[in-house]
Amino acid sequence: DGGITQSPKYLFRKEGQNVTLSCEQNLNHDAMYWYRQDPGQGLRLIYYSQIVNDFQKGDIAEGYSVSREKKESFPLTVTSAQKNPTAFYLCASSMGGQTHVQPQHFGDGTRLSIL
Amino acid sequence: GENVEQHPSTLSVQEGDSAVIKCTYSDSASNYFPWYKQELGKGPQLIIDIRSNVGEKKDQRIAVTLNKTAKHFSLHITETQPEDSAVYFCAASKGFNKFYFGSGTKLNVKP
Repeated sequence: DGGITQSPKYLFRKEGQNVTLSCEQNLNHDAMYWYRQDPGQGLRLIYYSQIVNDFQKGDIAEGYSVSREKKESFPLTVTSAQKNPTAFYLCASSMGGQTHVQPQHFGDGTRLSIL
Repeated sequence: GENVEQHPSTLSVQEGDSAVIKCTYSDSASNYFPWYKQELGKGPQLIIDIRSNVGEKKDQRIAVTLNKTAKHFSLHITETQPEDSAVYFCAASKGFNKFYFGSGTKLNVKP
C-alpha cells in the first residue's frame, strides 16, 4: 500500500547528541514536510521541500536540519542546539507543481524524548 | 502570516448527537481548508476539505461549511459514534505548500 513511513516510533536523545528521524514515502509526491506537535497545540512547520535537493525553513527551523537527496526520503536531524526537543514529530507529503493547493498526507509520527 | 483559531478545545457529546467545530482565519488570500482527524499515537488523517469557490461540502455524516466574508469555516459531524472520538484539526492554506493549523479540538463521544 502507498503511504508514509516514519521510523523509529519512539526515540530517546542524550544530552549533546544529534538524532535523525526517518521519513520515507512511496506516493510519488514531490513535496515533503516536517512538523512538530506539542501537547494541546497545533502543528508547527519545521522544514519543507518542494523538490529533490531543495528545502526551505519553516517557522521553527532553529536546532534542526534536513536533507532531500531522494524524492522518497526526507530525514530530519534534531541537533544538540535544539534545547527542548521533546515532542511528537510528524512527516507529511503532497503532490507538487499543481495549480491548486494539494492536501498533505501524514505518517504516524516519531515521539522523541530526552534521557 | 496566517493565524488560524479553533474552538472549542474540548467537546463532549452523547452518541447520536451532532458535533460542530469552528475555525477562523486571518488571511483573506487563503483558499484551501482541510480538516484532519488524529487518533491517539497516530498521524492526522484527512477527512474532508473545501476550496474557496465552494460554500459547503458533504461526505456522509461529515460536512464542512465556509463563510469567506466572515473568514470562518466549520466541521459538522452528525449522528456521532464512539469511533468519532479523536482530536480534530482545521487548517488553512493559500498555496506555496504552506498550511497553518488550528490548535485542535478533542472530541469525546459518550456511548
